[in-house]
Amino acid sequence: AQKVTQAQTEISVVEKEDVTLDCVYETRDTTYYLFWYKQPPSGELVFLIRRNSFDEQNEISGRYSWNFQKSTSSFNFTITASQVVDSAVYFCALSGHMNRDDKIIFGKGTRLHILP
Amino acid sequence: DVKVTQSSRYLVKRTGEKVFLECVQDMDHENMFWYRQDPGLGLRLIYFSYDVKMKEKGDIPEGYSVSREKKERFSLILESASTNQTSMYLCASSLLSSGYNEQFFGPGTRLTVL
Repeated sequence: AQKVTQAQTEISVVEKEDVTLDCVYETRDTTYYLFWYKQPPSGELVFLIRRNSFDEQNEISGRYSWNFQKSTSSFNFTITASQVVDSAVYFCALSGHMNRDDKIIFGKGTRLHILP
Repeated sequence: DVKVTQSSRYLVKRTGEKVFLECVQDMDHENMFWYRQDPGLGLRLIYFSYDVKMKEKGDIPEGYSVSREKKERFSLILESASTNQTSMYLCASSLLSSGYNEQFFGPGTRLTVL
């Protein structure tokens, strides 16, 4: 069975600190996709990144970076020099290679508070 | 940009009322989804549809039904609303032919049932 675990329910850091959000997944598929979404207070989930299982290169986008490690089944997300606008709920998600009735499995989310 | 819109941001209904939540996407996506989001429980899939007039039960379909008469529109129906259906409802869509299930979400409808 597929599963996504975000062990950190809530994190608070002071602005400009770095913060890492953990994501551990379980799957028996050899081809799969991992995602991160951001849900700001407005409510809409915003797509941040997609990674496929064959691409273990780390990704950096501005202050955001992602560390994908198949050996530990983890896909962690780091925000460098955090800002108040980063305050949101962040979801990690997993999907197999898409068939008609495939579903995406979401973690329960990590609520991140960036304190001014 | 993919646009997923939901008919209402906030909705207040009474117990026993029939409630319709509408979702429209403008990118010709085959797949559409309805989730509910509750504190501590994350996103839970209610129903999804991969084609017009097709529907599949998700993890928590009880008390809900859906309708997909047109490709761009996916409606969630609460036949007789109950207080335990007070929640945030999120609609999403994705492109089947992409091979991966990257979903695009609407802004959500916060439903309160009194």
